[in-house]
Amino acid sequence: DGGITQSPKYLFRKEGQNVTLSCEQNLNHDAMYWYRQDPGQGLRLIYYSQIVNDFQKGDIAEGYSVSREKKESFPLTVTSAQKNPTAFYLCASSISGQGVEEQYFGPGTRLTVT
Amino acid sequence: AQSVTQLGSHVSVSEGALVLLRCNYSSSVPPYLFWYVQYPNQGLQLLLKYTTGATLVKGINGFEAEFKKSETSFHLTKPSAHMSDAAEYFCAVRGAGNMLTFGGGTRLMVKP
Repeated sequence: DGGITQSPKYLFRKEGQNVTLSCEQNLNHDAMYWYRQDPGQGLRLIYYSQIVNDFQKGDIAEGYSVSREKKESFPLTVTSAQKNPTAFYLCASSISGQGVEEQYFGPGTRLTVT
Repeated sequence: AQSVTQLGSHVSVSEGALVLLRCNYSSSVPPYLFWYVQYPNQGLQLLLKYTTGATLVKGINGFEAEFKKSETSFHLTKPSAHMSDAAEYFCAVRGAGNMLTFGGGTRLMVKP
């Protein structure tokens, strides 16, 4: 089955620790995205990548970093510089990042930092 | 720049009643519009999308939406609500730069 996997589903960390969220897709999509979801605020774009070895900052990139070494993988690192990291994180992909194609979403990772 | 406003963060309807979820957008370029549904602790699933052409768009699960350029609206409707429709719904617009901008979401509750 083609799709997007995110692991783990729930993640707990202590304040001050970096944490990496996994996102893998087998849809052969070129573009991948990371969103943060907070109650009542919809989804906000953190980073996106339209091709391997290239990525751009979204609206709320501060305190986050990404890499895109393989087409299938787009891991997100939440660093200790992120002031309020507790949130639901969603990864998505689309065919090319151009045109009218929709984005396909993974099941999400809920990160809790205490 | 584009933006999306979803009027009503919570909407409650009775089973069998009409569902109407409101979405207004702004965009500096002709918009592409999307409605997504999210069930608890899951990702988003596309319900329907408007790109060009017919302004009344039909989606999955009996939902439809009408693009009204003069009103900058893309409201989502379903004639008869079912308990399984209880979820959060997001309207999104793709404008300049090919990025999606999401509204704040509307949580739909369906009463038996």
